[in-house]
Amino acid sequence: TQLLEQSPQFLSIQEGENLTVYCNSSSVFSSLQWYRQEPGEGPVLLVTVVTGGEVKKLKRLTFQFGDARKDSSLHITAAQPGDTGLYLCAGIVGFGNEKLTFGTGTRLTIIP
Amino acid sequence: DAGVTQSPTHLIKTRGQQVTLRCSPKSGHDTVSWYQQALGQGPQFIFQYYEEEERQRGNFPDRFSGHQFPNYSSELNVNALLLGDSALYLCASSLMGPEQFFGPGTRLTVL
Repeated sequence: TQLLEQSPQFLSIQEGENLTVYCNSSSVFSSLQWYRQEPGEGPVLLVTVVTGGEVKKLKRLTFQFGDARKDSSLHITAAQPGDTGLYLCAGIVGFGNEKLTFGTGTRLTIIP
Repeated sequence: DAGVTQSPTHLIKTRGQQVTLRCSPKSGHDTVSWYQQALGQGPQFIFQYYEEEERQRGNFPDRFSGHQFPNYSSELNVNALLLGDSALYLCASSLMGPEQFFGPGTRLTVL
């Protein structure tokens, strides 16, 4: 059973469209991170959220942490081909723990 | 400022052999974690090293072992390789907090 479920698994949209990726769990996370990974490379950290209800913006990317700290979303506005990649959410369950539990990932393709 | 580095980038082994992967953390970081990422899946936590000791371990057999050196660099050793050990092995470093920074990974293929 996957602790962190991401949806959708695959998403292919046209350049300029908006999209939202979801990360859901039945567990409470003390913190949650979003990464983007290119083929053959390691994940690159995009953002860390730690407070329930927190919203963070990174240019055209908006990240939200659920009030109960069990879910998160990533919204991309006006998607560009450079946004193509595998998006991974990863959380730390509980406190006093640094083990990251990753979701299955969302593979995003932006079509020019 | 060098980020996390890993070596080698690619490795091919046969079943039953042993392998050692290496990682140098980001400058200033003292904690190293290792992850296994099978094709099409998210990374799975193997273990974490801090102050040269294994602090936390995921659900991996004893064939997977590691070491951290005084300069904070780390090694991952896998004995008696199985076909299912073929994966991208990722090293991540951190310093007192949840944010982990990943290296480019070592692609291990077991034939």
